[in-house]
Amino acid sequence: GAVVSQHPSWVICKSGTSVKIECRSLDFQATTMFWYRQFPKQSLMLMATSNEGSKATYEQGVEKDKFLINHASLTLSTLTVTSAHPEDSSFYICSASISGRSYEQYFGPGTRLTVT
Amino acid sequence: AQSVAQPEDQVNVAEGNPLTVKCTYSVSGNPYLFWYVQYPNRGLQFLLKYITGDNLVKGSYGFEAEFNKSQTSFHLKKPSALVSDSALYFCAVRANTGGFKTIFGAGTRLFVKA
Repeated sequence: GAVVSQHPSWVICKSGTSVKIECRSLDFQATTMFWYRQFPKQSLMLMATSNEGSKATYEQGVEKDKFLINHASLTLSTLTVTSAHPEDSSFYICSASISGRSYEQYFGPGTRLTVT
Repeated sequence: AQSVAQPEDQVNVAEGNPLTVKCTYSVSGNPYLFWYVQYPNRGLQFLLKYITGDNLVKGSYGFEAEFNKSQTSFHLKKPSALVSDSALYFCAVRANTGGFKTIFGAGTRLFVKA
């Protein structure tokens, strides 16, 4: 149980285009989802926390207009990287938690974004 | 400031030997502590957690961790390492930073040599 999927697992896009990454909780309802960014050989950096039906809370230094997060349902959150640049290339990981157990996070397999 | 430290970038151990991956933390209040493992190009897999109760926590794949409040440590251990244990390990703590969030350590790469 508690499986989280991400799609796509790997995406290459050109500079200036936008790309959407989906995060789904497959067998539970995720009231809260988290989006992380991981640079090579580095730790996870929390980008934003999203609660179903409300606006995401972004961490300091994360551009909310560039990284659009939507948590429209209890099983789906999306991260859209708008007007992508090569420096946005990274590994993006989502996680989800269940209502009342926010300390337990279930992680997706990650999405490798390469912007050319 | 609330933080997690993994003092070793890399740990090398021979297969069959015991392994320890170190983690220390600094948080206010009672900590919720976690260990995760990450394989190349994959997300994080949960290994174990400490919230309350026994200081020795047993988790997945034969791993265990000991919570030491006086030393503010939560070291990950395994009695006998396997080559397949080679991966990147993250220690994490749930902290209240004006809202609860999980803070991850920098990660420790474990190499188990056959």
